[in-house]
Amino acid sequence: DAKTTQPPSMDCAEGRAANLPCNHSTISGNEYVYWYRQIHSQGPQYIIHGLKNNETNEMASLIITEDRKSSTLILPHATLRDTAVYYCIVIGNTGFQKLVFGTGTRLLVSP
Amino acid sequence: DAGVIQSPRHEVTEMGQEVTLRCKLISGHNSLFWYRQTMMRGLELLIYFNNNVPIDDSGMPEDRFSAKMPNASFSTLKIQPSEPRDSAVYFCASSLGLAGGYNEQFFGPGTRLTVL
Repeated sequence: DAKTTQPPSMDCAEGRAANLPCNHSTISGNEYVYWYRQIHSQGPQYIIHGLKNNETNEMASLIITEDRKSSTLILPHATLRDTAVYYCIVIGNTGFQKLVFGTGTRLLVSP
Repeated sequence: DAGVIQSPRHEVTEMGQEVTLRCKLISGHNSLFWYRQTMMRGLELLIYFNNNVPIDDSGMPEDRFSAKMPNASFSTLKIQPSEPRDSAVYFCASSLGLAGGYNEQFFGPGTRLTVL
């Protein structure tokens, strides 16, 4: 699976958009980009995933560049409850695929 | 619907004792994952079951660790004997396990294990 690179930490003001970047320059054609987050003292939680088109759900939007070498997770109106570690994971779509969690980005949303 | 259920939520034991962690899958799910999280190593996959059969146990640290699925909805992770370096948060996750690649995993609240 392709390796991902994320900034170790980011800050965001409550109510503003949080844009979390992820580089995955070695991604291959059949690999998806998944985002999970882990709020303190809880298990990881699935947020969103995509292959090459931009995706949106009730939690977030995912923007994937045309060359698929990077992506951005957007929380449009961050709240204090969005403070968490966000993991960007690239994973294939055939056979058994392990979720490999890197170090992620620690997002702090402040009042 | 109830999510993944883990018990106990906290366990404190002494070195050398046997520890058993328990996990109940979400109804209808057929894949089960055990993870361990520490500050030093982050989140690591220990073992993965599909339809009650262990598929990948390459992450199990050593023979002191064993995992079972006695039925389709329940799993145990046993450590015998336990050591202080086993102290960690252990997460269980389940998924639908549909054929053809990755499926979203749903994580339980975790068991915080402390071995003195």
